[in-house]
Amino acid sequence: KAGVTQTPRYLIKTRGQQVTLSCSPISGHRSVSWYQQTPGQGLQFLFEYFSETQRNKGNFPGRFSGRQFSNSRSEMNVSTLELGDSALYLCASSLVSSGTFYEQYFGPGTRLTVT
Amino acid sequence: DAKTTQPPSMDCAEGRAANLPCNHSTISGNEYVYWYRQIHSQGPQYIIHGLKNNETNEMASLIITEDRKSSTLILPHATLRDTAVYYCIVRGGGTSGTYKYIFGTGTRLKVLA
Repeated sequence: KAGVTQTPRYLIKTRGQQVTLSCSPISGHRSVSWYQQTPGQGLQFLFEYFSETQRNKGNFPGRFSGRQFSNSRSEMNVSTLELGDSALYLCASSLVSSGTFYEQYFGPGTRLTVT
Repeated sequence: DAKTTQPPSMDCAEGRAANLPCNHSTISGNEYVYWYRQIHSQGPQYIIHGLKNNETNEMASLIITEDRKSSTLILPHATLRDTAVYYCIVRGGGTSGTYKYIFGTGTRLKVLA
């Protein structure tokens, strides 16, 4: 079974631009979560989507948004990029989103550099 | 959401057991403890989870104290490939059917030859 895939793997953008990152979950997984990882702040939860609906959200400004499609693929968008948005963006998928246990499978990440 | 505290770094000799501690003193009764690890430049990898009882799988063992305020991840025979950052996470609560993982700073484990 193929793992979580993220595209692109590397990206360089300029301040003020916007960017869209893509995540394809493991087949059959309906929950997709996004995380930002920086050396200073570590791994921070951005948001989670399940059945095309945002189910939970971290403490990030409105410039960070996402969506999920009917095939469970997800995209996240960052508008008006700032230098501080340079980070590794990780996507994770899981089988269900519920109050019970489940494990998350992470993709390799997209490394975004803002200049 | 419960927070976790871990030592920033640890060393372990190859072949020895690595014991990684985690404090989660504000954990709620229905929150699980999860452990993930991240090898340099890769996405985090699930290791093990537990609620109250000790757990063991092919990768590791998880020991949770009776009061659930702390836990220890045990890698029984550490190898060089176990060098990674290990994260202890307590799954945060939210409205019914929602959750979020809160990652701490993790423990950087270095396995020495």
